Amino acid sequence: GIQVEQSPPDLILQEGANSTLRCNFSDSVNNLQWFHQNPWGQLINLFYIPSGTKQNGRLSATTVATERYSLLYISSSQTTDSGVYFCAGSGGYQKVTFGTGTKLQVIP
Amino acid sequence: DAGVTQSPTHLIKTRGQQVTLRCSPKSGHDTVSWYQQALGQGPQFIFQYYEEEERQRGNFPDRFSGHQFPNYSSELNVNALLLGDSALYLCASSWRTMGLEQYFGPGTRLTVT
Repeated sequence: GIQVEQSPPDLILQEGANSTLRCNFSDSVNNLQWFHQNPWGQLINLFYIPSGTKQNGRLSATTVATERYSLLYISSSQTTDSGVYFCAGSGGYQKVTFGTGTKLQVIP
Repeated sequence: DAGVTQSPTHLIKTRGQQVTLRCSPKSGHDTVSWYQQALGQGPQFIFQYYEEEERQRGNFPDRFSGHQFPNYSSELNVNALLLGDSALYLCASSWRTMGLEQYFGPGTRLTVT
C-alpha cells in the first residue's frame, strides 16, 4: 500500500508566525485530505485536495500530484491552531492511508 | 445537517470480552469506514462497508468484524479483546466507495483492562 510521510513531526510556533507542513506519498494518489485533530480526538476536515491549490481563511493547501506531495500553509497562527495535523490519501480503490502527523503547539 | 455520530463515547472492557461500537453516517452518505488510532499514531484503516458488504479490509485479524444496515449505519465488533485493542476507534462516512472526501465522527475511546 501507499506510504505517507509527514514533516516535521513536531513544531512549536510563536503566536502570529507562519508555518508549512509537508506530506509525501510513495505512490500516486487521487484522493487526498488534510485534517486537524483537536485535543479531544475529533478529526476536523481542512481540505480535500487531490490536486491544485485551495484557501480557507488563514489556511491554504497545495498538492502537486505529479511529484506526490502536498503542503499545508498556516498563516498568522493562533493558539487554537494547536493540535495534530494529518494528511491522508488513497489511489483509486485502495484503502486510505494516514501519515504519522505533525504535532503543532502555538504559544502565546 | 447531522454529521457522523458514534456511540458510546467511552467504554471500559476486560480482556477476553467482546465489544460493539456503533456509527451513523452523515446525511447523504452511503459508505462507512472504521479506523483504529493508538495513542500517538495516525489512524489505521480497519475496513469499509458499502451496500451492506465489506469492500476493503486493512491488516486486522478476524476478531474485528462489522456490519452495515439498510439505513447505512454500521457496527464494529471486536471479539476476545486484548490489551493492545485499547485505542480510539473512529468512524468515517463518504459517498460511494472510491475513497472520496471522508467525514469523521467524534470517536469511541476503548480501554481494555
